[in-house]
Amino acid sequence: DGGITQSPKYLFRKEGQNVTLSCEQNLNHDAMYWYRQDPGQGLRLIYYSQIVNDFQKGDIAEGYSVSREKKESFPLTVTSAQKNPTAFYLCASSGTGFSSYNEQFFGPGTRLTVL
Amino acid sequence: AQKITQTQPGMFVQEKEAVTLDCTYDTSDPSYGLFWYKQPSSGEMIFLIYQGSYDQQNATEGRYSLNFQKARKSANLVISASQLGDSAMYFCAMRDGGLTGANSKLTFGKGITLSVRP
Repeated sequence: DGGITQSPKYLFRKEGQNVTLSCEQNLNHDAMYWYRQDPGQGLRLIYYSQIVNDFQKGDIAEGYSVSREKKESFPLTVTSAQKNPTAFYLCASSGTGFSSYNEQFFGPGTRLTVL
Repeated sequence: AQKITQTQPGMFVQEKEAVTLDCTYDTSDPSYGLFWYKQPSSGEMIFLIYQGSYDQQNATEGRYSLNFQKARKSANLVISASQLGDSAMYFCAMRDGGLTGANSKLTFGKGITLSVRP
């Protein structure tokens, strides 16, 4: 089945540690995205990539880093510079062709807690 | 700058009744797309319906329809015949800068919690 996988589902981190969240898709989508969701809030864009080896900062990129070495993979690193990293992280992908939809498909999310 | 506004407090609806979830947006771009997503308590985001700014008719997908009023910049989601499984958070989102491809970023509203009563 085609879809997006994120791992781990739950992640605990000590202050001062970097952690990497995995996101893999087999939908053959060019574009991938990382969002952060805080309790009772909407999604805020961290980083996005519309093609391999290229990515752009979203609205809240500070303290995060990404790479896009393969079309299928878009890992997110939460660095120690991120002041308040406890949140729910969602990865998404979409096509970029000439379709009137190009809706984003989401993974199941990773819940990160800083201890 | 884009802006999506969802200001309703938690919404309640009786099973089998219809409910409208409000969404207003702000953009100066004539070409944009509007999306609604559902987020159950499990956290996954489920795409429900899409409306393009140039679409002549309101979008419909099964029990979901979008009441698109371009002049008022509103894109309200209507759920007919509510079911218990409709209890979730609902997010309105917008993509501007072209309907496809070049700019695929979405801006999300803060969401509305819908509870369906048996």
